[in-house]
Amino acid sequence: GEDVEQSLFLSVREGDSSVINCTYTDSSSTYLYWYKQEPGAGLQLLTYIFSNMDMKQDQRLTVLLNKKDKHLSLRIADTQTGDSAIYFCAERGNTDKLIFGTGTRLQVFP
Amino acid sequence: NAGVMQNPRHLVRRRGQEARLRCSPMKGHSHVYWYRQLPEEGLKFMVYLQKENIIDESGMPKERFSAEFPKEGPSILRIQQVVRGDSAAYFCASSPSGEWGYFGPGTRLLVL
Repeated sequence: GEDVEQSLFLSVREGDSSVINCTYTDSSSTYLYWYKQEPGAGLQLLTYIFSNMDMKQDQRLTVLLNKKDKHLSLRIADTQTGDSAIYFCAERGNTDKLIFGTGTRLQVFP
Repeated sequence: NAGVMQNPRHLVRRRGQEARLRCSPMKGHSHVYWYRQLPEEGLKFMVYLQKENIIDESGMPKERFSAEFPKEGPSILRIQQVVRGDSAAYFCASSPSGEWGYFGPGTRLLVL
């Protein structure tokens, strides 16, 4: 079955890099996504990567995909207090629906 | 182009009442997805609709829940005879062709 796992918490100092990890099980995944959710808000699409890519960079965000190990990571460079939020990875297989991880709560301290 | 709209943003119901949640997709989007987020959990897929059709309802509870996306008007998620366990945030997302991923702000349902 489809399953997406993430660690629950990450705490980093302002200015450091954050790396949020995600593993998935569906080998037919076509797209993988990272979403950000701030308290009481909806989900904001941060970035996505096609399954035939292994890296994508977008300003402070770098996504790495290891398809062999079914491992996805999101690196946030120069993490700011405004980056504090819950980050969800999600994978899309052949069924057109997204399967979400449980979310990683990122806390940035001064 | 306005984003995905959901209303109401907050809804309070007593046990046994009905809840109706509305989602207006982005202009030009004909695909709508509903997700539920229980407190402190991730999002769980409920149902995927295209105009006038249910494509995938594998995540919908078998009873009390229904969804529609009529030719005109918003998509509606309807929960009959609500129970406390239905308290959650319900998110709608829309896309033009099954690509992703524009979510609305959610409706937070509280059942007393």
